[in-house]
Amino acid sequence: EIVLTQSPGTLSLSPGERATLSCRASQSVSSSWLAWYQQRPGQAPRLLIYGASSRATGIPDRFSGSGSATDFTLTIRRLEPEDSAVYYCQQYGSSPFTFGPGTKVDIK
Amino acid sequence: QVHLVQSGAEVKKPGASVKLSCEASGYTFPNYYMHWIRQAPGQGLEWMGIITPSGGIASYAPRFQGRVTLTRDTSTSTVYMDLSNLRSDDTAIYYCVRDYVRIATPGNGIFDYWGQGTLVTVSS
Repeated sequence: EIVLTQSPGTLSLSPGERATLSCRASQSVSSSWLAWYQQRPGQAPRLLIYGASSRATGIPDRFSGSGSATDFTLTIRRLEPEDSAVYYCQQYGSSPFTFGPGTKVDIK
Repeated sequence: QVHLVQSGAEVKKPGASVKLSCEASGYTFPNYYMHWIRQAPGQGLEWMGIITPSGGIASYAPRFQGRVTLTRDTSTSTVYMDLSNLRSDDTAIYYCVRDYVRIATPGNGIFDYWGQGTLVTVSS
């Protein structure tokens, strides 16, 4: 199975700054089939990005994804307090589908 | 408006089984894969399996193979997840999740609409 590693573990930033989250796969993700999710405390995850770079419906363009093969990035521009959450990457290029351990973003 | 409504919280003893339900509405039920994903307290997300609502064919993550069974009832647009031989480390919130892509479209495995989650507690 493909193992995903995310870094950093925690990111502490201020409103208006940019967050850069990394996701690395143990082997190449087929067709760049990688997604990103946001999970706020007490809520179910929300799909942000699929296909490495396509935004899901209703997701603001402050969120962008990039990358291919084994290295992927989620960038959040102009951070807002509501962006405080854990962000997970997930690959769906091969079964079993797997998630990274998450990056916690704190907006101070 | 897509809605996934899951059954209520469960408390089980080790070795028992649990069967959770998830009723879908707001879209054509047979047209989208459904998944089950779980999250232990304070932990990350773990994919358990996928079912094709139209034909009832299911596929499971290797670590759950033999312990989990996914089924569906097309007359009520409901999917079920049965987990047997429960252990304390099965304590988690269990989510049913609809796929983003329609069946027979490449790239399934994008988790779009999520149920509210069902807490399963396994304790003696």
